[in-house]
Amino acid sequence: EVQLVESGGGLVQPGGSLRLACAASGFTVSNNYMSWVRQAPGEGLEWVSIIYTGGSTYYADSVRGRFTVSRDNSKSTVYLQMYSLRPEDTAVYYCVRVLSPEHLVGDYWGQGTLVTVSS
Amino acid sequence: DTQMTQSPSTLSASVGDRVTITCRASRSISSWLAWYQQKPGKAPKLLIYKASSLESGVPSRFSGSGSGTEFTLTISSLQPDDFGTYYCQQYNTDWTFGQGTKVEIK
Repeated sequence: EVQLVESGGGLVQPGGSLRLACAASGFTVSNNYMSWVRQAPGEGLEWVSIIYTGGSTYYADSVRGRFTVSRDNSKSTVYLQMYSLRPEDTAVYYCVRVLSPEHLVGDYWGQGTLVTVSS
Repeated sequence: DTQMTQSPSTLSASVGDRVTITCRASRSISSWLAWYQQKPGKAPKLLIYKASSLESGVPSRFSGSGSGTEFTLTISSLQPDDFGTYYCQQYNTDWTFGQGTKVEIK
């Protein structure tokens, strides 16, 4: 059974940093593209970043230069390192497995971890 | 950036009704479009990809159509479990989601 479990969320002050982790099971992380999507309280979905199997990474304009996505295949874990956090980064962050290289859609989602940026 | 606009924002329908949600892209995205259902407090669930391909395990009352800039999600006979918010997502260039359509059961 495919499972994605996020951790690392919490309360952080503006300008602070946080690292989210996504522990994957039931499939091989190294064989799949993985993505992060966030959802601000009461709002819609916003794509954040994606990491390809070859290691290429891409980011939304709103986080480029502040967030870094990475992967540890030996631990079946995907990370999202977040720097220079802003109040508008407050959201539930979902880890998402991508269906295939041709279809960049999320076929499995974690339960999400809440990040709150506030003083 | 490709913007995605859904309509309506909210709809209320009865069990058994045929329901249609529209998603428009600001530029052509070919058929690179997906639909998701999200229930309160839960992660989104993939329903449709490539505009009309039904994800495994999704009931056949859900269907998608369209290409280019205009797309629709149809629920042929609304069921009580179909309440929630539906999002379209383009994946022609990066990912962009529509603002969502909340479906309520009368």
